[in-house]
Amino acid sequence: DAGVIQSPRHEVTEMGQEVTLRCKPISGHNSLFWYRQTMMRGLELLIYFNNNVPIDDSGMPEDRFSAKMPNASFSTLKIQPSEPRDSAVYFCASTLTGRYNSPLHFGNGTRLTVT
Amino acid sequence: GDSVTQMEGPVTLSEEAFLTINCTYTATGYPSLFWYVQYPGEGLQLLLKATKADDKGSNKGFEATYRKETTSFHLEKGSVQVSDSAVYFCALLRSNSGYALNFGKGTSLLVTP
Repeated sequence: DAGVIQSPRHEVTEMGQEVTLRCKPISGHNSLFWYRQTMMRGLELLIYFNNNVPIDDSGMPEDRFSAKMPNASFSTLKIQPSEPRDSAVYFCASTLTGRYNSPLHFGNGTRLTVT
Repeated sequence: GDSVTQMEGPVTLSEEAFLTINCTYTATGYPSLFWYVQYPGEGLQLLLKATKADDKGSNKGFEATYRKETTSFHLEKGSVQVSDSAVYFCALLRSNSGYALNFGKGTSLLVTP
């Protein structure tokens, strides 16, 4: 199993540009999570999907952030327009819910720098 | 809301020293509790977990016991190795929110030879 795959690993962009982060969850997993990690705030849950449906997006900071999951094997997190305070590491994670012992599997993250 | 608080780092220990990283939680009901580990440049990996009071999770020499009376889930290891250097996160499974985890801010551990 290749694990959760995120792309790109690093993204450097200028303020005001659109940024799209991508995630491929583990095959067969039915829940997908987007987290943001910063030194100041630690790991914050942005949004999560169950069976491709957004369940809780209360962690999405503002309307500049949007996430989609068009099918079970792909999700995107988009920031438009980006701002320097969006600089962080963004993690995608997936799990198979309904099985109590299934752990959360994380990707290696996308390090976003907005200048 | 449900949350965890863990000790501030960084923690620096010599090889073979005893490790304790404190974690306390605030939650309605009895959440499941977890420890995750993050190595440089990687995502988080599950280290161990406990799902009810008095449960002890263990893995790779690490242990943590779910203490309802003190709302704690402290991570311990009897003899750390250089390869244990990483960031450790305490987490709980949020109530009334499906399967989302709330994480602590992480504790950085550096083990020196």
